[in-house]
Amino acid sequence: GESVGLHLPTLSVQEGDNSIINCAYSNSASDYFIWYKQESGKGPQFIIDIRSNMDKRQGQRVTVLLNKTVKHLSLQIAATQPGDSAVYFCAEAPSGYNKLIFGAGTRLAVHP
Amino acid sequence: DSGVTQTPKHLITATGQRVTLRCSPRSGDLSVYWYQQSLDQGLQFLIQYYNGEERAKGNILERFSAQQFPDLHSELNLSSLELGDSALYFCASSVGFGPTNEKLFFGSGTQLSVL
Repeated sequence: GESVGLHLPTLSVQEGDNSIINCAYSNSASDYFIWYKQESGKGPQFIIDIRSNMDKRQGQRVTVLLNKTVKHLSLQIAATQPGDSAVYFCAEAPSGYNKLIFGAGTRLAVHP
Repeated sequence: DSGVTQTPKHLITATGQRVTLRCSPRSGDLSVYWYQQSLDQGLQFLIQYYNGEERAKGNILERFSAQQFPDLHSELNLSSLELGDSALYFCASSVGFGPTNEKLFFGSGTQLSVL
């Protein structure tokens, strides 16, 4: 599955820098949020999730922040590596709806 | 490797034709989801099956249909194909009802080109 044709905003960072990818979600009733990474030729891959009763959750080199007041989600990647180059999607699961709604995605380009 | 298998990887067909996309979920997963990824629409949820039964429906056209078989594999049937149906079609699976409380695991997709 090739995703390079998607017309997406691009974040360019230097290898070793920290990356912050932002996402505005639409439904104030959403209570579960997920970040997915899609590398060229592959399907989306789960990175990290967070529930609405939390503001922050940390994984290995990644942190997700949730601001419910402004319906904003961010993904922070520490010490970005070339292997982090991909398209990143946030997704929300509105309470009461058995659906996962994906955002438009952001392309992360890591330069040596 | 997510454990979700999709076939074929690529499909080229003509307008008006009908195709079938196949998905085998991860071992033990009962839910199968179908998503469409196009250049201008991003990832759009089409439909979900849980243990053979339709569980949730998204923006799936009437020309499209899906089913989940007793062995839990799923097929997405696309008929009367139009140029605009050209897209990547992903299948995902999860253990339970999902997706509001569990991870979805995605396959590598089927690239459909309608000429």
